[in-house]
Amino acid sequence: DTGVSQDPRHKITKRGQNVTFRCDPISEHNRLYWYRQTLGQGPEFLTYFQNEAQLEKSRLLSDRFSAERPKGSFSTLEIQRTEQGDSAMYLCASSPLRGAALYGYTFGSGTRLTVV
Amino acid sequence: KQEVTQIPAALSVPEGENLVLNCSFTDSAIYNLQWFRQDPGKGLTSLLLIQSSQREQTSGRLNASLDKSSGRSTLYIAASQPGDSATYLCAVNNAGNMLTFGGGTRLMVKP
Repeated sequence: DTGVSQDPRHKITKRGQNVTFRCDPISEHNRLYWYRQTLGQGPEFLTYFQNEAQLEKSRLLSDRFSAERPKGSFSTLEIQRTEQGDSAMYLCASSPLRGAALYGYTFGSGTRLTVV
Repeated sequence: KQEVTQIPAALSVPEGENLVLNCSFTDSAIYNLQWFRQDPGKGLTSLLLIQSSQREQTSGRLNASLDKSSGRSTLYIAASQPGDSATYLCAVNNAGNMLTFGGGTRLMVKP
């Protein structure tokens, strides 16, 4: 296991289309997080899972966004009816259940979304 | 609500200089603070993690300090190199469930 993997690395889509991103966390990590980063800004929290349960969602996560983590392994983030304002880098991170305070978070390489 | 500020927003220095990046946060009740590096168009690479009970952490030419009571952290880079050019992000962990990031400092080290 070499870290957190995200797929695809880049996605260009037309406004109004649906897109789905995938994140594979470090295998022994129970917690998985999604962040969004726009150009020139720091990442902003979207949502997180503990195993398969989605425990917290930011108000940034509108009704067009949905995240799942079936079986507590990989996670998907879907954006429906994309808008130009959704263009951003979507980052996934994972941490051990009791270790986030001790070991911090490990981030993936991100998925760059461009809505045209 | 935690707010994290990084100063300066951008910094350009000649190779070999020692430099300090600053991070301040408004809520001192933190679990830890983490410094990340981000290259253009890439994800985040963790550099240093400081627990709330610690004062500093060192890794190679990097040294991060934490003054929780004043809500400040600094990242010290010794003998900077062109390969250090990147954006440096400071992130604070308050409740153990999420990180709050600063806006980053874009560093350019000129040969």
